[in-house]
Amino acid sequence: DTAVSQTPKYLVTQMGNDKSIKCEQNLGHDTMYWYKQDSKKFLKIMFSYNNKELIINETVPNRFSPKSPDKAHLNLHINSLELGDSAVYFCASSPEGVNTEAFFGQGTRLTVV
Amino acid sequence: GEDVEQSLFLSVREGDSSVINCTYTDSSSTYLYWYKQEPGAGLQLLTYIFSNMDMKQDQRLTVLLNKKDKHLSLRIADTQTGDSAIYFCAESIVPNNNNDMRFGAGTRLTVKP
Repeated sequence: DTAVSQTPKYLVTQMGNDKSIKCEQNLGHDTMYWYKQDSKKFLKIMFSYNNKELIINETVPNRFSPKSPDKAHLNLHINSLELGDSAVYFCASSPEGVNTEAFFGQGTRLTVV
Repeated sequence: GEDVEQSLFLSVREGDSSVINCTYTDSSSTYLYWYKQEPGAGLQLLTYIFSNMDMKQDQRLTVLLNKKDKHLSLRIADTQTGDSAIYFCAESIVPNNNNDMRFGAGTRLTVKP
């Protein structure tokens, strides 16, 4: 009965590849997010998405794109992976308009070699 | 630099109170959170406190905030074996409602019967 789950937990891939990270929530939340964690454990928001609006952090390269097949899923696609994309990526969800009440997945450690 | 720090381990007997401590350094933090992570699961939001509050109580959980010392604590009364988990302290700064977040490394709470 995991609330927010993301797969895979670990992903190692070569530069230039295209990869996806999946995220699912069973909380009935309306808004989902993707965060990137830096080396100091700072989670920087990349996207927030509900069925009405996609908000993109303008610093995120357009190689990153969220895809939401339905309200319970928000997958992260990354094209042409670069070494600097190596990080831990967290998915989260919250009730609509209440982004202080976010639940997080356990993170996906992406390593680009 | 800015960081969120918490001790890595805490062990208590069932029925005792647990106190998990956290220090943060970013004085512009507006919300402070406690998350719980059970094995193989994501981060479950336990509670959060707005930075203009000193205390928040929710059933067995009590959060104390000392803004002058940048110290946050989580007290769990009558600790049960089911409380065994990793507890993460986190802070967020909400410029433009982005809700970027910074997490501590987590405190592993072990409850012995």
